Amino acid sequence: KQEVTQIPAALSVPEGENLVLNCSFTDSAIYNLQWFRQDPGKGLTSLLLIQSSQREQTSGRLNASLDKSSGRSTLYIAASQPGDSATYLCAGPRNQGGKLIFGQGTELSVKP
Amino acid sequence: DADVTQTPRNRITKTGKRIMLECSQTKGHDRMYWYRQDPGLGLRLIYYSFDVKDINKGEISDGYSVSRQAQAKFSLSLESAIPNQTALYFCATSAHSNEQFFGPGTRLTVL
Repeated sequence: KQEVTQIPAALSVPEGENLVLNCSFTDSAIYNLQWFRQDPGKGLTSLLLIQSSQREQTSGRLNASLDKSSGRSTLYIAASQPGDSATYLCAGPRNQGGKLIFGQGTELSVKP
Repeated sequence: DADVTQTPRNRITKTGKRIMLECSQTKGHDRMYWYRQDPGLGLRLIYYSFDVKDINKGEISDGYSVSRQAQAKFSLSLESAIPNQTALYFCATSAHSNEQFFGPGTRLTVL
């Protein structure tokens, strides 16, 4: 059964620091990968989708990469800000049209 | 206006009551999903639908049913609510790219 691990489970950093969040799949068969942000008690906001044929995607201060051979993805956040404080989740299907499998998330706190 | 809306946003009910949660989307997507989120268990898929005539069970469908009334509407029913169905429920939609877009969630409490 495919499982998704996100490391670390929680992270606290001072404002301005660059940071990396990790996501790995027990079964490296992953079709594409999506990163989400969730604020407490709120819905999930899609941040980045790395399509099947891509290795990375960038949006503003965010950069996500996907290594399908190893089943790993990283989310890089540059120059972190207090407004980045949230839980970050990764998810992906095993094949096209497949169901998303979610990690448990990394809870990020950026201190002013 | 939000692309994916859910009603109600909060609901408190009693054990044994029938509850319906509704989801509407204006994104024009064919695919719709219902998830529940519990602390420590993450997001789990309840049901999903790839078009109006298609309904599929997810990993935790027992105690739930769904109806896809139109492309834009997907409702989730709890026929006889029980306390362990207390959770945050999310509706999501996607097109064929697999990128999913989530609604704001419904917080359901079953007493």
